[in-house]
Amino acid sequence: ETGVTQSPTHLIKTRGQQVTLRCSSQSGHNTVSWYQQALGQGPQFIFQYYREEENGRGNFPPRFSGLQFPNYSSELNVNALELDDSALYLCASSLGGTALLDTEAFFGQGTRLTVV
Amino acid sequence: GESVGLHLPTLSVQEGDNSIINCAYSNSASDYFIWYKQESGKGPQFIIDIRSNMDKRQGQRVTVLLNKTVKHLSLQIAATQPGDSAVYFCAENPPSGTYKYIFGTGTRLKVLA
Repeated sequence: ETGVTQSPTHLIKTRGQQVTLRCSSQSGHNTVSWYQQALGQGPQFIFQYYREEENGRGNFPPRFSGLQFPNYSSELNVNALELDDSALYLCASSLGGTALLDTEAFFGQGTRLTVV
Repeated sequence: GESVGLHLPTLSVQEGDNSIINCAYSNSASDYFIWYKQESGKGPQFIIDIRSNMDKRQGQRVTVLLNKTVKHLSLQIAATQPGDSAVYFCAENPPSGTYKYIFGTGTRLKVLA
C-alpha cells in the first residue's frame, strides 16, 4: 500500500460529459501528479500540482484541468469527454516539487474511466 | 504526448532464473530514473531508483544499471519468482524543475513454473 488513494475506482461516462476524479496524497507529501494510461501503454504525464499551484503540464488540451487543496489532495477534471479519454487515470504523490529534492513518486491504484 | 508502443515486448523466464529487462531512455540530460512494476488492474509500484551520478544500485533481489553513454537502463531480478510476473516500466525525469516522469515502453515479464 502506497497511502495514495483514488476515487472512484471505476467510472462510465457518456461522450460530451464532464468528470471529476479525486486523489488523496500520501501523508507528508505536498506534490501530486496526474497521468493517463491508455490500454497497453505507459503512463503519460498530464500535469503536476505543488502547494496548490500547477507546476508543469504535459501535452494535454485545456479541457483537462486540475486543482490541489490545502491538505494536498487533488482533483482532475475533464470536460467535453471524448471516446479517446477512456483510460486508467493515475495519481502520484511525492515530496518536493523541484528536481533538487530526492524523492520518488508513489502511485495510487487509478481510476478506470470508460467513455461511451 | 510522448508516444509509446502498443505492443508490449514480453520476456519469459523460468522460475528461479535471473531476469534482465532493458530500457532505452530519450533525454541525455535526465538525472533521475525509476523502475516501476505494474500488475494487472493496479497502479505502478516503485521498485528501485537511481540518480545519474551512479551507474549501479542494488536493492533486495533487484539491481539497476545505468549506462549514460548509450542512454540505457536495465533492471536485473535475481531468482525470479511467480510473484514477479507483471509489466515493468522504466521512467526518466528530465531536468524540467518538476517530477514529470517520461515512461518507456513497458516489458511484460512472464515467470514460467
